[in-house]
Amino acid sequence: EAGVAQSPRYKIIEKRQSVAFWCNPISGHATLYWYQQILGQGPKLLIQFQNNGVVDDSQLPKDRFSAERLKGVDSTLKIQPAKLEDSAVYLCASSFRRGGLEKTGELFFGEGSRLTVL
Amino acid sequence: AQSVAQPEDQVNVAEGNPLTVKCTYSVSGNPYLFWYVQYPNRGLQFLLKYITGDNLVKGSYGFEAEFNKSQTSFHLKKPSALVSDSALYFCAVSPFSGGYNKLIFGAGTRLAVHP
Repeated sequence: EAGVAQSPRYKIIEKRQSVAFWCNPISGHATLYWYQQILGQGPKLLIQFQNNGVVDDSQLPKDRFSAERLKGVDSTLKIQPAKLEDSAVYLCASSFRRGGLEKTGELFFGEGSRLTVL
Repeated sequence: AQSVAQPEDQVNVAEGNPLTVKCTYSVSGNPYLFWYVQYPNRGLQFLLKYITGDNLVKGSYGFEAEFNKSQTSFHLKKPSALVSDSALYFCAVSPFSGGYNKLIFGAGTRLAVHP
């Protein structure tokens, strides 16, 4: 079974530039998550999709971050314009059930996209 | 506020010795509790979970965790550590809310197992 795919693995940009990350979840997983992991901290949820609808985006900085999952499969996370404090690893995860935790209790994570903002 | 605390930044243990990685949580209601592991340049991997039932849960790679409701703790344990267990370990809690769950992660504990 293929895992969660993310690209690019690494990206270096200057502040005020834009960047986009792509995620393809495990086939059949209806729930998709984007997490931000800053060095030395635990992952923080940015946005959660159920199919193509947003379930939770309460911690997404909406003035600069946007995300979409148009057909309920793959997803794109965009940052525009980037700030120095956006340097982090952006993790995409997917799960099988609504929320994913009632049944399997497990999120499947991709390897992440490491962003460096100079 | 809902939170997870991992009081140790790093745990050092000799190979073959037992290990414990500590986790405490603060959340209303009955939470779901999880441990994930992160190897270098890899994504997080699920280790084990507590939903309900027996307070001692067993997971992957010989790990187990003990849920203690009175102490609001969920410590990760292994009877005999391996060098290959060296990694970053995250405790997470899921406060069930509105039919959708999300994971709140601790800051992580780096486990170093020495030969």
